[in-house]
Amino acid sequence: EVQLLESGGGLVQPGGSLRLSCETSGLTFSSHAMTWVRQAPGEGLEWISAIDRVGSNTYYADSVRGRFTISRDNSRNTLYLQMNSLRAEDTAVYYCAKYQSPLFDPWGQGALVIVSS
Amino acid sequence: DIQLTQSPSFLSASVGDRVTITCRASQGINGHLAWYQQRPAKAPKLLIYAASTLQGGVPSRFSGSGSGTEFTLTISSLQPEDFATYYCQQLSRYPLTFGGGTKVEIK
Repeated sequence: EVQLLESGGGLVQPGGSLRLSCETSGLTFSSHAMTWVRQAPGEGLEWISAIDRVGSNTYYADSVRGRFTISRDNSRNTLYLQMNSLRAEDTAVYYCAKYQSPLFDPWGQGALVIVSS
Repeated sequence: DIQLTQSPSFLSASVGDRVTITCRASQGINGHLAWYQQRPAKAPKLLIYAASTLQGGVPSRFSGSGSGTEFTLTISSLQPEDFATYYCQQLSRYPLTFGGGTKVEIK
């Protein structure tokens, strides 16, 4: 069974940084692109970033480009999201998912990030 | 960017009803459209991809259709576990985008 487990969420002050991790199991991690999606409280889904199988190509939504960095460690079967210069509007549940075009599946259970002073 | 407009944003229906949700794209997406179901406080779950292909394990009462810029998700006979929010997503080009969601509630 494929499993994705996010960690690293929490409370951070505006302007601060946080790194999310997505540990995977049950799949050949290095064979798949991966992605991050977030959901602000009471709101819809927002795609924010994707990375190819080897980490050579990365993609970002305008809302996070220049502040967030997606990366992966294929030796650890883990995806990362480094989030800098955090803002109140970045408060959300962050989901990782396996990206096998043209679909996202499966998804992790999510990690809550709260940006507040 | 490709905008996806879902309608309705909310619908109230009864168990056994046939339900249709529409997703319109601001430009052609070559059928690269997926549908997800999200229950409260849960991660989204893939239902349909490539506009009409049912994901394994998803009940056959769910179906997808459409091409070009207009797509539909149909639930042929609504079941209690289907009351949730549904999202469409285009995977044709970056930035990948989601529709605003359709919340299906019990009448």
